Amino acid sequence: DAGITQSPRHKVTETGTPVTLRCHQTENHRYMYWYRQDPGHGLRLIHYSYGVKDTDKGEVSDGYSVSRSKTEDFLLTLESATSSQTSVYFCAIGRTDTQYFGPGTRLTVL
Amino acid sequence: GQQVMQIPQYQHVQEGEDFTTYCNSSTTLSNIQWYKQRPGGHPVFLIQLVKSGEVKKQKRLTFQFGEAKKNSSLHITATQTTDVGTYFCAGTYNNNDMRFGAGTRLTVKP
Repeated sequence: DAGITQSPRHKVTETGTPVTLRCHQTENHRYMYWYRQDPGHGLRLIHYSYGVKDTDKGEVSDGYSVSRSKTEDFLLTLESATSSQTSVYFCAIGRTDTQYFGPGTRLTVL
Repeated sequence: GQQVMQIPQYQHVQEGEDFTTYCNSSTTLSNIQWYKQRPGGHPVFLIQLVKSGEVKKQKRLTFQFGEAKKNSSLHITATQTTDVGTYFCAGTYNNNDMRFGAGTRLTVKP
């Protein structure tokens, strides 16, 4: 497996609270991605980064922001969590045609 | 819009039976990838197909890319309990957008 870790692995929070998920890689890869996985939808891209401080929106970016201050770290923030953001979040590195995924974070918003 | 449809959503087979999952896009793909996700795990890259009509094999797994580069299939011969999981295709378009199919969940009865 590629050197990708995610933290926390599980989190339960309440509606309206801010939440930050962290992705850390040891592969020095330029591209990093955040996906959410929901039953019946597969994996949907939230945001991606193509370098330090360089990010762009994906398919389902509303309600999410990201930051990348170092090559190895990519943060996903839910400014004010909603129940519709209950999901499993995966970070990935690699090119668009070959990606390697982290272990995932299961987020529950009550 | 750009979307990859994958069928079936679920497939339950007896060990030793064959299994096939199909992906289809309404627009031409640049390439297509296949991933496997074990229950409770993260997606793992299996293979990439790039050329029209391409066929690749990995042991009991056969991957095909259609002549028009709009569809693809994954066929598993003589399934084993270790094949259990969800299989995803992911199509990359010429604008570098990537879209995952919703996945096919395979269960195998011993």
